[in-house]
Amino acid sequence: RKEVEQDPGPFNVPEGATVAFNCTYSNSASQSFFWYRQDCRKEPKLLMSVYSSGNEDGRFTAQLNRASQYISLLIRDSKLSDSATYLCVVKGLKAAGNKLTFGGGTRVLVKP
Amino acid sequence: ETGVTQSPTHLIKTRGQQVTLRCSSQSGHNTVSWYQQALGQGPQFIFQYYREEENGRGNFPPRFSGLQFPNYSSELNVNALELDDSALYLCASSLAAGWGETQYFGPGTRLLVL
Repeated sequence: RKEVEQDPGPFNVPEGATVAFNCTYSNSASQSFFWYRQDCRKEPKLLMSVYSSGNEDGRFTAQLNRASQYISLLIRDSKLSDSATYLCVVKGLKAAGNKLTFGGGTRVLVKP
Repeated sequence: ETGVTQSPTHLIKTRGQQVTLRCSSQSGHNTVSWYQQALGQGPQFIFQYYREEENGRGNFPPRFSGLQFPNYSSELNVNALELDDSALYLCASSLAAGWGETQYFGPGTRLLVL
């Protein structure tokens, strides 16, 4: 079983609509969680950290459910520029060092 | 941009050859991590260098090796290339090796092994 699993998609989203997708992680000791965005043939870029209480950054909302070991990302009022692959990232215990564990990514295509 | 640079941008090699990829970290950063991203997958951690020493390694064979120089730039070396080594190789620099440090990714080197 992979440490971090994501639905690869693609999620085809009409412009202006809302889309949400999840990521599950297998290590219950995981400490820190992030969403990264990766455009085609580019490097991953940090979109947002995910906090236990949930957090929002503009049109993006991230949630963490430790009991069920998943995190989610919701995008409201989707823009064409939101088309990208969204990577779920987990960090383990501090003793494991500053290593990022990535999911396989969820592809989102926003269409006019 | 992150200020992390990688060279070359693209590379084609044949099976059995050796390759060296280079990464220049952001100014002031002393830690470099390397990741391999195969097509359609997420990046996988290869190893990390902190102040010229290896500081953690992922599940990659010994033919993947690295170096970090006094100016904190880094090299990734892969010997005896296999077809499955074809991937995007990303380096990420961080201010230090501490657990909470943010990693900033370079644009990557795309390696094709024929």
